[in-house]
Amino acid sequence: GDSVTQMEGPVTLSEEAFLTINCTYTATGYPSLFWYVQYPGEGLQLLLKATKADDKGSNKGFEATYRKETTSFHLEKGSVQVSDSAVYFCALSEGRMDSSYKLIFGSGTRLLVRP
Amino acid sequence: EAGVTQFPSHSVIEKGQTVTLRCDPISGHDNLYWYRRVMGKEIKFLLHFVKESKQDESGMPNNRFLAERTGGTYSTLKVQPAELEDSGVYFCASSQVRQETQYFGPGTRLLVL
Repeated sequence: GDSVTQMEGPVTLSEEAFLTINCTYTATGYPSLFWYVQYPGEGLQLLLKATKADDKGSNKGFEATYRKETTSFHLEKGSVQVSDSAVYFCALSEGRMDSSYKLIFGSGTRLLVRP
Repeated sequence: EAGVTQFPSHSVIEKGQTVTLRCDPISGHDNLYWYRRVMGKEIKFLLHFVKESKQDESGMPNNRFLAERTGGTYSTLKVQPAELEDSGVYFCASSQVRQETQYFGPGTRLLVL
């Protein structure tokens, strides 16, 4: 079945450091890919998404490119801030119109950014 | 516009008791999903409603879990009787018809002792 694998955390960085969180997936079709973020005490928020190969999703300085050849969707940010400390979830959806768009998640990566 | 809300935010119950979780989706969202995260592992899909109908309940772990969405508005997820392994965070999400992007609630943290 479909699955998502993320690098294990926690990832601890100093402010302004470069961030990469690796994510790879296994899917039978052509899924859409997502990064969700959960800040302390809050629910999941969509950070960015990409719906087809070579698409780049971006938001709040974060970027991820849909790489079909390597089945990857790595999350990057050039300069992290303390406020980026959160748990990041990679996810995929193989849904089609009029059917379920259920999400399949990775296990989450906790990021801690120190001042 | 109000987001997805869930009640309660936390629940602590003893093994064998019953707990009912509630989710209020964003107004006008026909799709409603339940997920849970157990013991810091990955978030897993439980089921999907389209309005009041169950579209996909392939992720429901067993018959101790019962989900309803009467009238196609809010949804409840009942666990009866609760077991230790049911502890975790239960998330609800909603989306508009034929839209992939799901909006999540803050979750209900359930602890079964």
